[in-house]
Amino acid sequence: GAVVSQHPSWVICKSGTSVKIECRSLDFQATTMFWYRQFPKQSLMLMATSNEGSKATYEQGVEKDKFLINHASLTLSTLTVTSAHPEDSSFYICSARDREPGEQYFGPGTRLTVT
Amino acid sequence: GQNIDQPTEMTATEGAIVQINCTYQTSGFNGLFWYQQHAGEAPTFLSYNVLDGLEEKGRFSSFLSRSKGYSYLLLKELQMKDSASYLCAVVDSNYQLIWGAGTKLIIKP
Repeated sequence: GAVVSQHPSWVICKSGTSVKIECRSLDFQATTMFWYRQFPKQSLMLMATSNEGSKATYEQGVEKDKFLINHASLTLSTLTVTSAHPEDSSFYICSARDREPGEQYFGPGTRLTVT
Repeated sequence: GQNIDQPTEMTATEGAIVQINCTYQTSGFNGLFWYQQHAGEAPTFLSYNVLDGLEEKGRFSSFLSRSKGYSYLLLKELQMKDSASYLCAVVDSNYQLIWGAGTKLIIKP
């Protein structure tokens, strides 16, 4: 089956620093990748949708200058949390899709803790 | 606006059957997904329905009625490992996935 990897699995950083999270589709080409955030005991919240080679489409309320998304190839998307603050601590999950409509294959998630 | 409704929490007994309902109101419809999510983990795919009717896959079945904007996930022979959140998600006319808040299923021995 289709596999999506995320790196790192967890990260602890100090307030004010930037953190980059990678999302890779390992055995298929992802036409679209999605970035989600999930706070404890809450549902997934879509942050942005990105297509390879074009700018990401951000959901309302998500700061594009704070959450930088780069979808450089059909197998790699990155999310950079710039100047992270404790309120950015969350579970960040990416997913990838190879066609529309199609199943979204989820990465294992990255737990970010900002101290 | 677009809306997905599912119960917040359900409790069932090991070995029993449970039905998790999902109703939706979206701009267009291109299918409905059910995902399972264990605490601290990413969601995993369970089923995809785009036509009316029942799709059976082992202990799990998913039903769809497009005219009623309704789906359910049926879990049989419940096991303790089935304790998880179950997420209903609808693909709208723009091929965007609209997520429900999830149903937390608690299995008791």
